[in-house]
Amino acid sequence: NAGVTQTPKFQVLKTGQSMTLQCAQDMNHEYMSWYRQDPGMGLRLIHYSVGAGITDQGEVPNGYNVSRSTTEDFPLRLLSAAPSQTSVYFCASSYWRMRLGDREFYGYTFGSGTRLTVV
Amino acid sequence: KQEVTQIPAALSVPEGENLVLNCSFTDSAIYNLQWFRQDPGKGLTSLLLIQSSQREQTSGRLNASLDKSSGRSTLYIAASQPGDSATYLCAETPQGGSEKLVFGKGTKLTVNP
Repeated sequence: NAGVTQTPKFQVLKTGQSMTLQCAQDMNHEYMSWYRQDPGMGLRLIHYSVGAGITDQGEVPNGYNVSRSTTEDFPLRLLSAAPSQTSVYFCASSYWRMRLGDREFYGYTFGSGTRLTVV
Repeated sequence: KQEVTQIPAALSVPEGENLVLNCSFTDSAIYNLQWFRQDPGKGLTSLLLIQSSQREQTSGRLNASLDKSSGRSTLYIAASQPGDSATYLCAETPQGGSEKLVFGKGTKLTVNP
C-alpha cells in the first residue's frame, strides 16, 4: 500500500502564481483533509472532505480551494500565492465505521508533506 | 473551542531512561486520541491510536494511556534510545464536528547517547 501520496515534495513559487498540490490515497478512506504546519503555530486545518463531492472549510481556508471528484484524490489549489502561504502542507486521510450505534474513527494517515516557499 | 496542550515543549534525557510525555485536552467528548512522531523535515508517523472506549494502547516500547475524565493522555517510552529523538505530537478527534484533528504543539525529545 502506498498510503497517502503527496506531490510535489518541494516547490518555489513567485507571488501571484497559482499551483495545485496533489494528494492521493489508496485506502478507500472517506475523509481527507489538508493541514499546514508553521513554526510556533502547530498544524492547522485548511479544508476537509467527508466524501466525494463534499468539501468544507477548516480554520485557515482563505487563499485555498479544494475539490473532491473521486474518493482517491483531494487536490489543494493556491489561487494567487502570497509569502504568508510559505509553509509545509500535509494531506491526511481517515475512515470510520459504525460500532455499537456510534461512529468509531480509525485515526489519520498523513502524507510526507509538500514544502512550499513563496518569494 | 477544543484545545490540546503538550508539556514539556522540549525534553532532553540520557539514553536508557524511561520517560513520559504529557498531553491534555479541554473537552472530554472525543472519538479518539492519536500520538504521532515527526522527524525533522519529515511527515507525521502514527504511533498509537486510542479509541474513546479504551484506556491504553501498547506498541513495543511505547505505551499510551487515555483518561477522558481528567482530559489527559500520556505516552510512555521505555528504555529510550537516540533513535527516539523526534518531535512527538498528540491529536484528538472531537465528537460532533468536522472529524478534524486538533493538535498539540508537540514535545521535542532529544535522547543523548
